[in-house]
Amino acid sequence: AQKITQTQPGMFVQEKEAVTLDCTYDTSDPSYGLFWYKQPSSGEMIFLIYQGSYDQQNATEGRYSLNFQKARKSANLVISASQLGDSAMYFCAMREQAQAGTALIFGKGTTLSVSS
Amino acid sequence: NAGVTQTPKFRVLKTGQSMTLLCAQDMNHEYMYWYRQDPGMGLRLIHYSVGEGTTAKGEVPDGYNVSRLKKQNFLLGLESAAPSQTSVYFCASSYPRGDSGQPQHFGDGTRLSIL
Repeated sequence: AQKITQTQPGMFVQEKEAVTLDCTYDTSDPSYGLFWYKQPSSGEMIFLIYQGSYDQQNATEGRYSLNFQKARKSANLVISASQLGDSAMYFCAMREQAQAGTALIFGKGTTLSVSS
Repeated sequence: NAGVTQTPKFRVLKTGQSMTLLCAQDMNHEYMYWYRQDPGMGLRLIHYSVGEGTTAKGEVPDGYNVSRLKKQNFLLGLESAAPSQTSVYFCASSYPRGDSGQPQHFGDGTRLSIL
C-alpha cells in the first residue's frame, strides 16, 4: 500500500484563485511529520510547509496553508491567491520518526498549472 | 549560503561505464540521503547515512554503492551503469528527528543519462 497518495496528477487554476492539492497518508507511527515541496521546471526541490503529527493547529506559511485532518489521515495543501509562478510540480512527503534514517516518503506529485 | 551541493549537474554515460556523484553539505547535518526521481514515480530513496562511516540501503539500492567517509560528504557510485539508471538524482541532508519541523535540504539534482 502506498504511504503517500496524491490523487490529482494535474490541476488547473486561474490567477488569484485558491487551489487545494490533495494528500493522504498511511502510517502507524504516532510521531511523524508531513511536508510539501515545490519543484519548478528548473528542477530544484523547494520546501514549502511542515505539519507535525502532534501539532494542534494547521500550519501556515504566507500564501500556503496545510489542512491537516489527522483522523482522516489527510494533509492537503491550500494555495491562496495563485500566481503564475506557482506553476510547478508539488510533492507531499512524510517522515516517520520510527523509520530508520527518517527518510522522506514521497507521493507521485501533482502538476499545478496557473493561467492568466 | 551553499547548503547542499551536487556535482556534476549533468552527465551522459555509456552502458557499463562507472561514475561517482558527489554530494557536499555545509549545515553540519548528521543524516544524508540519495534519491532518484523518475517520471510519474516521485522521489525514491536509494541509500542513506545516519552518520560518518555508516550507510544503509533504501527502497531502490540495486546497482549503487555509497560512502560517507566525512560527515559533510556523501558519495553515490555506479559501478556498471545501465540504461535503467537514467534518472535525476537528488542528494539531501537533515537533522535526525522525523517529527521536528526541520526539513530535508536538497541539492539541485544531477541529470544522468545512460546510453
